[in-house]
Amino acid sequence: DTGVSQNPRHKITKRGQNVTFRCDPISEHNRLYWYRQTLGQGPEFLTYFQNEAQLEKSRLLSDRFSAERPKGSFSTLEIQRTEQGDSAMYLCASSLVSTEAFFGQGTRLTVV
Amino acid sequence: GDSVTQMEGPVTLSEEAFLTINCTYTATGYPSLFWYVQYPGEGLQLLLKATKADDKGSNKGFEATYRKETTSFHLEKGSVQVSDSAVYFCAFWMDSSYKLIFGSGTRLLVRP
Repeated sequence: DTGVSQNPRHKITKRGQNVTFRCDPISEHNRLYWYRQTLGQGPEFLTYFQNEAQLEKSRLLSDRFSAERPKGSFSTLEIQRTEQGDSAMYLCASSLVSTEAFFGQGTRLTVV
Repeated sequence: GDSVTQMEGPVTLSEEAFLTINCTYTATGYPSLFWYVQYPGEGLQLLLKATKADDKGSNKGFEATYRKETTSFHLEKGSVQVSDSAVYFCAFWMDSSYKLIFGSGTRLLVRP
């Protein structure tokens, strides 16, 4: 299967700890997106990359959130000093420029 | 601002019933329109799309027509199955943009 892959699928962490999620996009896709989804809501855009360039990050929720895509392939999303309000599903998607986005299965974060 | 409004759920139907989920959008310009489906504990799957006015997207018995005059993209299926039970999200994006705008989702429950 060559879809978007996210790891881990589930993460439980204690408040104040740092967490990092990984996303492997569809191989030929040059755009990669991160979204956050809370219970009962639609996905909310966080940031996106075109190749290795992060072209939009103003929607990252705070300076505790950061994302990288070092070689234009996989991406990581890090949350520092987690808070209970960070508990959510974090979704990654990829696309070619100006085509539909394909989503991974998401990483569900629970902060206790 | 840009937004998507979906009918509130849950929508509960008996198997083989007719389904309509309403979706209207507010956008500056002429977006591409999408329906995504999310099964429990999973990420989003693209169900269908339409990229210009009067286009009809279809997949797996689901259909939606891009109505520019009413800014709508209602999802329909003639005969639902238990396996269609999921959350359905309407979304759009602009060619000049980089992110999908999602509605809050409509949960569908199909009973045998």
